[in-house]
Amino acid sequence: EIVLTQSPGTLSLSPGERATLSCRASQSVSSSYLAWYQQKPGQAPRLLIYGASSRATGIPDRFSGSGSGTDFTLTISRLEPEDFAVYYCQQGIHTFGPGTKVDIK
Amino acid sequence: EVQLVETGGGLIQPGGSLRLSCAASGFTVSSNYMSWVRQAPGKGLEWVSVIYSGGSTYYADSVKGRFTISRDNSKNTLYLQMNSLRAEDTAVYYCARFLTVTTHHYFDYWGQGTLVTVSS
Repeated sequence: EIVLTQSPGTLSLSPGERATLSCRASQSVSSSYLAWYQQKPGQAPRLLIYGASSRATGIPDRFSGSGSGTDFTLTISRLEPEDFAVYYCQQGIHTFGPGTKVDIK
Repeated sequence: EVQLVETGGGLIQPGGSLRLSCAASGFTVSSNYMSWVRQAPGKGLEWVSVIYSGGSTYYADSVKGRFTISRDNSKNTLYLQMNSLRAEDTAVYYCARFLTVTTHHYFDYWGQGTLVTVSS
């Protein structure tokens, strides 16, 4: 069973700063099956990135994904106020990471 | 426009049963992989169950033998029958479409969620 670990648990940053979120798999996974989601309080998750690096429809280009094998990264180049949320990585249908909360410093 | 609307949540006593519904519009449920994902209060996302377009069903170990996923093609609706409910089943339950496009797999559409509270 593949386990996803996300770090850090919480990232405290200011608007305009760069956010770098990590997702590590317990064994090598296919990049095709790695996705990232954003969730705001009281809302359903929203797809940001699929296939490790492809932005979903309507997602601003300040969001980017990269990585392969066991190490994947979600980068938000310049944080906007609406980006403060929890971010989850996912591999396949069964496995979600525990999430990284990006909050305002 | 694709839309998923869950209903059926509520307060239920331990050991009780509840059926969640997820009405879909803008696409055909039976032609897609449809899943239930839950989120306990203040916790992360947990996959619960999936029904494939061919009808095969799979469950997380935590709900196997207690929950049943199904669909009604005439109503374009997904269901989750939950029996023998436990306090640890308390969560917001989301239905979501799991898209498999070429080599990419991901949840592209989610409902707004329905809260299930198991408590005496």
